[in-house]
Amino acid sequence: QQPVQSPQAVILREGEDAVINCSSSKALYSVHWYRQKHGEAPVFLMILLKGGEQKGHDKISASFNEKKQQSSLYLTASQLSYSGTYFCGASFSGYALNFGKGTSLLVTP
Amino acid sequence: DADVTQTPRNRITKTGKRIMLECSQTKGHDRMYWYRQDPGLGLQLIYYSFDVKDINKGEISDGYSVSRQAQAKFSLSLESAIPNQTALYFCATSDSVGASYNEQFFGPGTRLTVL
Repeated sequence: QQPVQSPQAVILREGEDAVINCSSSKALYSVHWYRQKHGEAPVFLMILLKGGEQKGHDKISASFNEKKQQSSLYLTASQLSYSGTYFCGASFSGYALNFGKGTSLLVTP
Repeated sequence: DADVTQTPRNRITKTGKRIMLECSQTKGHDRMYWYRQDPGLGLQLIYYSFDVKDINKGEISDGYSVSRQAQAKFSLSLESAIPNQTALYFCATSDSVGASYNEQFFGPGTRLTVL
């Protein structure tokens, strides 16, 4: 039941925008987004719930399309600090998460 | 001090040995999780516990067992370690209050190598 993330990797110049997608073949209850920097633990970015509620950082935006069982994370005006691996976690029942394989993002000067 | 701690941080062991990874948290959260991370495979859920008396298997529980000794402590055991259990292991916690909204907080990870 692992969600599928795309793209697998992306390289941006500072200031450019990126979109990371997360798709599920099973109906989603909620989607979590986390960022992991090399050698560190994953850190929470955002939760999107079925029905439209969201919780997360002000500078991160995301969407949740319940009909398509997809979520997208929008990174605008990227900064060097945005570099890392982004994971979506899918919750099908409101309990545990199944994480995708991750999207590696590199922002260059 | 860190809210979620894991010990040891690094461990090298031999095939067939029993090993325990420990996780402690000071966040007062009810829910605790163990994940395994392999390069390119993301985070895979091994076990999770929603309170001391509630233990659930995750995606990849075979070869692993857990113990929730107290609300704040959740241990992962490999009864007989094998080389393909070499990985980075993360413990995480989350609050049950308003559970749908609650993010998971991860520990720093334990890097385990099985020779």
